[in-house]
Amino acid sequence: GQNIDQPTEMTATEGAIVQINCTYQTSGFNGLFWYQQHAGEAPTFLSYNVLDGLEEKGRFSSFLSRSKGYSYLLLKELQMKDSASYLCAVRDGGNDYKLSFGAGTTVTVRA
Amino acid sequence: GAVVSQHPSRVICKSGTSVKIECRSLDFQATTMFWYRQFPKKSLMLMATSNEGSKATYEQGVEKDKFLINHASLTLSTLTVTSAHPEDSSFYICSAPARGRAYEQYFGPGTRLTVT
Repeated sequence: GQNIDQPTEMTATEGAIVQINCTYQTSGFNGLFWYQQHAGEAPTFLSYNVLDGLEEKGRFSSFLSRSKGYSYLLLKELQMKDSASYLCAVRDGGNDYKLSFGAGTTVTVRA
Repeated sequence: GAVVSQHPSRVICKSGTSVKIECRSLDFQATTMFWYRQFPKKSLMLMATSNEGSKATYEQGVEKDKFLINHASLTLSTLTVTSAHPEDSSFYICSAPARGRAYEQYFGPGTRLTVT
């Protein structure tokens, strides 16, 4: 089975940095994804990690440690529009596209 | 722009009726599509994998006779919720693998189903 854990909620101030952690225990591993989802909308792709290390993309960065079963998403220079749910998802080692999602972390950015 | 569409975006139906939700890949072919459901403030739960030309693969605990999936063509998959009950009310989302980028999926905008 798949077990993917991330915090339920986080609050931060506009302009600050927030780090969302994700730990996983899965039967296989073929990549970890982070998605952003605003209420009532579909998830949008943020990042993909398959090798250990840090991937930076503008204000968002994602880190992966396969040996620890751990990832984090780092959001810098927070903006009000970053208030959303952030989903950690793992692709298992079998089906190339099948994803298992964590419960999501709701980030609230305050002025 | 959106590369996966869903129709309808919202639907309200009465208990006992059936509802069909369409998922289309707009300018690419998708031999595989995925159907998810999402309860309020919860994550996406994979229901089934839709396969063009063959039967859908359902996840454990998902009733295949209740959630009928038909992958009619390389650009269309449909999910029919049969004999709907209020507990079927949920947000249903489909996705398809991105062209040329096997690691990414495009998600549809979702369908909000309310069963009264």
